Amino acid sequence: LAKTTQPISMDSYEGQEVNITCSHNNIATNDYITWYQQFPSQGPRFIIQGYKTKVTNEVASLFIPADRKSSTLSLPRVSLSDTAVYYCLVGASDTGRRALTFGSGTRLQVQP
Amino acid sequence: EPEVTQTPSHQVTQMGQEVILRCVPISNHLYFYWYRQILGQKVEFLVSFYNNEISEKSEIFDDQFSVERPDGSNFTLKIRSTKLEDSAMYFCASIPGNTEAFFGQGTRLTVV
Repeated sequence: LAKTTQPISMDSYEGQEVNITCSHNNIATNDYITWYQQFPSQGPRFIIQGYKTKVTNEVASLFIPADRKSSTLSLPRVSLSDTAVYYCLVGASDTGRRALTFGSGTRLQVQP
Repeated sequence: EPEVTQTPSHQVTQMGQEVILRCVPISNHLYFYWYRQILGQKVEFLVSFYNNEISEKSEIFDDQFSVERPDGSNFTLKIRSTKLEDSAMYFCASIPGNTEAFFGQGTRLTVV
């Protein structure tokens, strides 16, 4: 499994855009990039998944450069409720058969 | 929206006692998982279950642990003789196929 590297923590203010970058230099050809969010004392929650270029949903955008060795999760106009830990995971598309490997994640603190 | 439910939300047990953590995955999902998270640490994979058998397990999942899907809906994790270091949040997750994992709210296990 490709190893991922993320910043340990980030701070932001309400209304700002937050970009969290994840490095995954050893990503394999059939690996997807998936981001999860976790609030304290809750289970992780899926945010977004992508393979290349850009993916957008109602919550976030995911930017993946051509070499796919990194990815950036973009949260537009964050609010206090976006304070959470964000995990970047890399794995093959047949995720159903494989365990998800969580790293230490990025702890995002949003202040008023 | 369908969700993974876990019971109990909090369990306190004495060291050496057996505990059973219960999960009801989302119906028609195919893959089931148990993860744990020790306070302040990352989410760790324990075991995956598919087609009524264990498909993968981690080093943490030793002989003290077992899983069962006794009736086609419940998915249980049993710890035979709990140790202090088993104190953690335990998360159940299910996946319909090759998409994202859906996590339950977790069971906080406290071993005293």
